[in-house]
Amino acid sequence: EADIYQTPRYLVIGTGKKITLECSQTMGHDKMYWYQQDPGMELHLIHYSYGVNSTEKGDLSSESTVSRIRTEHFPLTLESARPSHTSQYLCASSEAQGGVQETQYFGPGTRLLVL
Amino acid sequence: GESVGLHLPTLSVQEGDNSIINCAYSNSASDYFIWYKQESGKGPQFIIDIRSNMDKRQGQRVTVLLNKTVKHLSLQIAATQPGDSAVYFCAETPGSNYKLTFGKGTLLTVNP
Repeated sequence: EADIYQTPRYLVIGTGKKITLECSQTMGHDKMYWYQQDPGMELHLIHYSYGVNSTEKGDLSSESTVSRIRTEHFPLTLESARPSHTSQYLCASSEAQGGVQETQYFGPGTRLLVL
Repeated sequence: GESVGLHLPTLSVQEGDNSIINCAYSNSASDYFIWYKQESGKGPQFIIDIRSNMDKRQGQRVTVLLNKTVKHLSLQIAATQPGDSAVYFCAETPGSNYKLTFGKGTLLTVNP
């Protein structure tokens, strides 16, 4: 069982509000990821980080931003939430193993509903 | 472009039967493959992985088969149980510095 946590689990918020989705892992993993997933659909990578002070945009364009100030923490922020941001957001982490592909472990997700 | 997809979006089986979930991929450079299980309201959970230098790998009640010739991956679940009901995703990557690409998922329903 992977030790990766996300808060809040559910969030209902009005349009225009600023929100931050929290993600923390206690495994000391260097790599962390944020995915967006609509119900019954595949996961789309929106941000990733290979270490402290390293952040990159993923395959799916997103208006959210991320930061990686500490190894264990990878928060995602939406400055002004819109209904189009309604989705499930999944955080994952993996351990860099010097050239060997490593497994990504996922948190429980945050279900966001923007009214 | 490159993609990973699943042949069947839904699969319904009787409890105790064996289940086979299929996945096709198009990236010939894919080197590492993972199967994830996602239950309702939860994040994906790692089930089993396989590298391209292998054809088969077995876990507890699960077996992953890789056919690189036709770019096909399958997950076999033996003696399927109601707790196996979930969406199953395959994912692939060409290597450690590349991102995982996920397929669309197959919903497995186990009937008692």
